[in-house]
Amino acid sequence: DQQVKQNSPSLSVQEGRISILNCDYTNSMFDYFLWYKKYPAEGPTFLISISSIKDKNEDGRFTVFLNKSAKHLSLHIVPSQPGDSAVYFCAAAGYGNKLVFGAGTILRVKS
Amino acid sequence: NAGVTQTPKFRILKIGQSMTLQCAQDMNHNYMYWYRQDPGMGLKLIYYSVGAGITDKGEVPNGYNVSRSTTEDFPLRLELAAPSQTSVYFCASSYRRLAGGGRGETQYFGPGTRLLVL
Repeated sequence: DQQVKQNSPSLSVQEGRISILNCDYTNSMFDYFLWYKKYPAEGPTFLISISSIKDKNEDGRFTVFLNKSAKHLSLHIVPSQPGDSAVYFCAAAGYGNKLVFGAGTILRVKS
Repeated sequence: NAGVTQTPKFRILKIGQSMTLQCAQDMNHNYMYWYRQDPGMGLKLIYYSVGAGITDKGEVPNGYNVSRSTTEDFPLRLELAAPSQTSVYFCASSYRRLAGGGRGETQYFGPGTRLLVL
C-alpha cells in the first residue's frame, strides 16, 4: 500500500519555465512533508519542507503548496535551470518520526 | 563537518555471505536511519535508532540487523546475503523528530552503498 505517490515518473521542462512536481498521500496522520533532490551516485539532499499547519512555503526559486483536503502537495520551481535536473522525492512524516517516500520524479530541464 | 559517511561505496557479495555496512555521523544527531532504494522505487526504511542503545524496525527489516553502541555509529549487518538484497543502501541522521508540526528539521543522507548479491 503506497501511502505517498508520485504519479509522474518523469517531467521535461524548458529552461526558464516553471516545473511543477506533484505528490499525493493517503494517510491523514502525516503532518510534515519534505522534498528531496537526488543526483546520480549521491544521497538525497533536503530541498524544502512544509508543516500541515501551512498551505505554502517558499525558499528562493522553490515553493511547496499543500492542499490538506485533497491530500496533495506540489513543488514549483521557477525559473527552472539545467542544474535542477535530478530525481525529486516527496516524503511525509507522521507519528513516530518515520519518513515515507514516494517513488520519485525525474526532472529534465532542457537548455 | 563530514556529515554522514558510509563505507564501502560498492560491494559484490555471493549468496550466503555476510557483511556490515558502516555509517557514521559527526553532527551529534540522536536519530539515525537505514534505507534501501530499489530501481524505480522510493526509499524504504529498514531500521532506525533514536539514540545509543535503542533501535527499532522499519518497513523492511527482514534479513538485516543493527546496533547503536555510540551516538556516532550505526552499522547495518546482512547475515545471509540474498539476491533480493541487491539495492542501494542509504544511511541518514537527524537531530530531532520530524513529525509534530515540523520545525525545518530534516534528515541528512550519506552518499549510499551500492550492493550487488550474486
